[in-house]
Amino acid sequence: KAGVTQTPRYLIKTRGQQVTLSCSPISGHRSVSWYQQTPGQGLQFLFEYFSETQRNKGNFPGRFSGRQFSNSRSEMNVSTLELGDSALYLCASSFWGTETQYFGPGTRLLVL
Amino acid sequence: AQKITQTQPGMFVQEKEAVTLDCTYDTSDQSYGLFWYKQPSSGEMIFLIYQGSYDEQNATEGRYSLNFQKARKSANLVISASQLGDSAMYFCAMRGRPYNQGGKLIFGQGTELSVKP
Repeated sequence: KAGVTQTPRYLIKTRGQQVTLSCSPISGHRSVSWYQQTPGQGLQFLFEYFSETQRNKGNFPGRFSGRQFSNSRSEMNVSTLELGDSALYLCASSFWGTETQYFGPGTRLLVL
Repeated sequence: AQKITQTQPGMFVQEKEAVTLDCTYDTSDQSYGLFWYKQPSSGEMIFLIYQGSYDEQNATEGRYSLNFQKARKSANLVISASQLGDSAMYFCAMRGRPYNQGGKLIFGQGTELSVKP
């Protein structure tokens, strides 16, 4: 079974731009969670989608948004990028969201 | 609020020796799950082991075991017979229940393990 895939793997943007990251979960998994990892703040939960509905949301500004499609693939969008948005963005999938989550390789975003 | 604490920023271990990575947690949930993940320099988080709060036996997965002491709220990871490939960051994480918590994991700050040949 293929693992979680994330695209793109690396991204460079400038302040003020917006970015869209994509995550394809393991086949059959319906829950997708997103996390931001930075050296200063560590791993922080962004949001979780289950069956196309946002089920949980972390403490991030409204510039961070996401969605999930009927095939469980998920995208997250960050608008008006700031330097502090530079991070590794990880997505994870599980069947219900309540058991082990399996992570993708991440997208490294650099904001200049 | 839930919290995970990993007090060892970095650790060294000799190849083939065992090592224990510490993790303490705080939660008011009666039912919860504890996880350990490994993150090599490539960035991907690799699932290692899971312990449910109602599991009476400590979880084991190959060379990994979880020393679960519920009363002390600790969930230490023990790696036996360390290998050079074990060098990585290790994260302890917790997910609360009931199910409305969904897929939200709370992570500790991590422990960087270096295995010496």
